[in-house]
Amino acid sequence: DTGVSQNPRHKITKRGQNVTFRCDPISEHNRLYWYRQTLGQGPEFLTYFQNEAQLEKSRLLSDRFSAERPKGSFSTLEIQRTEQGDSAMYLCASSLDSGQGRTEAFFGQGTRLTVV
Amino acid sequence: KQEVTQIPAALSVPEGENLVLNCSFTDSAIYNLQWFRQDPGKGLTSLLLIQSSQREQTSGRLNASLDKSSGRSTLYIAASQPGDSATYLCAVPLGGSTLGRLYFGRGTQLTVWP
Repeated sequence: DTGVSQNPRHKITKRGQNVTFRCDPISEHNRLYWYRQTLGQGPEFLTYFQNEAQLEKSRLLSDRFSAERPKGSFSTLEIQRTEQGDSAMYLCASSLDSGQGRTEAFFGQGTRLTVV
Repeated sequence: KQEVTQIPAALSVPEGENLVLNCSFTDSAIYNLQWFRQDPGKGLTSLLLIQSSQREQTSGRLNASLDKSSGRSTLYIAASQPGDSATYLCAVPLGGSTLGRLYFGRGTQLTVWP
């Protein structure tokens, strides 16, 4: 396993279109997170899963955003009716919760979304 | 809510200097703190994870310390090299929580010139 994998790396879309991103976490990791990062800012939390259960969602995750992790493995993040303000880097991370407290989070290379 | 501040916002130094990057956070009841590196247009690379029971953690030329009581962490980079040029981010969870959300600072943008 070579780490967290995200696809596509770049996406350009027209305003109003739907887009979907995929994240493949490190195979034994049971936690998966989505973050969004805009230029000059630190990543902002969107949502996270423990196995297939979505346990927390940020208020940043409007009703146009939906995330799934159907079998507790890979995850998808879909944005419907994209807006220019959705342009950002979307980052996925994973970690292993061993019950001893949160362990190290590993990030993917991100998907850069540009809405034109 | 957890607020994370990183100082300085940017740093430009000649090769070979020893550096200190600062991170402060408002909710000190954390279980751990993590330092990351981010190259332009790339994802985050984990550098060091410090558990709340530790005071410091070392990896090669990097040393990170954690003072929970004062809500501060420092990342020390020894003998800096041009390859160290990147943005350095610190991240903490919400105090008292083992849940997934991390709170990030805006980062320190480091440039090391030859």
